[in-house]
Amino acid sequence: DAGITQSPRHKVTETGTPVTLRCHQTENHRYMYWYRQDPGHGLRLIHYSYGVKDTDKGEVSDGYSVSRSKTEDFLLTLESATSSQTSVYFCAISRSGQVSGNTIYFGEGSWLTVV
Amino acid sequence: AQSVTQLDSQVPVFEEAPVELRCNYSSSVSVYLFWYVQYPNQGLQLLLKYLSGSTLVKGINGFEAEFNKSQTSFHLRKPSVHISDTAEYFCAVSEGGYSTLTFGKGTMLLVSP
Repeated sequence: DAGITQSPRHKVTETGTPVTLRCHQTENHRYMYWYRQDPGHGLRLIHYSYGVKDTDKGEVSDGYSVSRSKTEDFLLTLESATSSQTSVYFCAISRSGQVSGNTIYFGEGSWLTVV
Repeated sequence: AQSVTQLDSQVPVFEEAPVELRCNYSSSVSVYLFWYVQYPNQGLQLLLKYLSGSTLVKGINGFEAEFNKSQTSFHLRKPSVHISDTAEYFCAVSEGGYSTLTFGKGTMLLVSP
């Protein structure tokens, strides 16, 4: 298994509160990603990072921000959580930004419920 | 823009029967295709991938998939399924070879005795 740890694994929070999810890797991979998984939508990319302090938006970035101050940690923040952000969040890592000769590994997910 | 369509949200099948999970894609440039499996309450695990070369790709756990460019499809097959294959399966595409994948909505494979 790839060395990816997501925390917290489960969280219930109230609408309007800030929430931060953490992804920690021990593989020293350059690329890190945050996806959300919703029934009927599959996985959708929120943000990704291609190095320390280098990030870019994905398909569903509204309402989310990210930060990467060290190679091993990629934080996803919901500044003011809404019920539409109730989802399962997956972190992924890869050595490079190309799929050729590269494998993308996924963490085990963080279940977030916004009430 | 790329997109992936998984035509079936659920596929029920009996143990030891063959199965095919369908995936179609659309893209204006070269594509690279993937199948991932997700067991309950777990992350995604790569089953197989097509990058280039032979259009028939073999993966783990006895699965295989065939890339068909003319039909823009990448269907996943297994000749004989087991109860343990019960899981959700995702098709994904990389446009241009970048690692930011676009996923389909998933197909739940339900294997019963």
